[in-house]
Amino acid sequence: AQSVAQPEDQVNVAEGNPLTVKCTYSVSGNPYLFWYVQYPNRGLQFLLKYITGDNLVKGSYGFEAEFNKSQTSFHLKKPSALVSDSALYFCAVTTNSGYSTLTFGKGTMLLVSP
Amino acid sequence: ETGVTQTPRHLVMGMTNKKSLKCEQHLGHNAMYWYKQSAKKPLELMFVYSLEERVENNSVPSRFSPECPNSSHLFLHLHTLQPEDSALYLCASSRQDRGANYGYTFGSGTRLTVV
Repeated sequence: AQSVAQPEDQVNVAEGNPLTVKCTYSVSGNPYLFWYVQYPNRGLQFLLKYITGDNLVKGSYGFEAEFNKSQTSFHLKKPSALVSDSALYFCAVTTNSGYSTLTFGKGTMLLVSP
Repeated sequence: ETGVTQTPRHLVMGMTNKKSLKCEQHLGHNAMYWYKQSAKKPLELMFVYSLEERVENNSVPSRFSPECPNSSHLFLHLHTLQPEDSALYLCASSRQDRGANYGYTFGSGTRLTVV
């Protein structure tokens, strides 16, 4: 079985400050990890993914995430937050062994204040 | 546009109505999914189609009936719904290769209100 934990329901940060949205995962086998963002009444938009290779992954809109195998984490980061980054963020995991769907975390609301 | 198109964007229906949600992808993906997103609840996986075969059905009530006539189209037929079925219904597609899933592309969703 695979699972994802996003321990924070909400993250508040001031514009211009760095932001981190946390994600930890559990899978059997090698993890494939994803971050998605959702704006109100819209579908989820892909931000970035880790499949293999460099542990630091860069994605859309200046976001990046670091794969940490020993801590089973894949935290989303951005050096300088924008008000327009305010949205709901989902972490997801799957594995390369056998047929699999993505398992999503419950989501973290990011609020960036001006 | 993401390459996955859902219609309609908004739907209001009575509990005795029959309606269908449509999803179309032109990304060459070979798997399609229906998710339900309700307020303050996690995403719920409803149905999975891989190579046009339904491979997963997560205990969804029979008033929801999926159809996948080809790899580019997915429908969700609705009948005699309940008010608690009001939600955002999301379609997604992905490429599955020897079991590995390389991530989903989502549509914009259909906001369904049952009155």
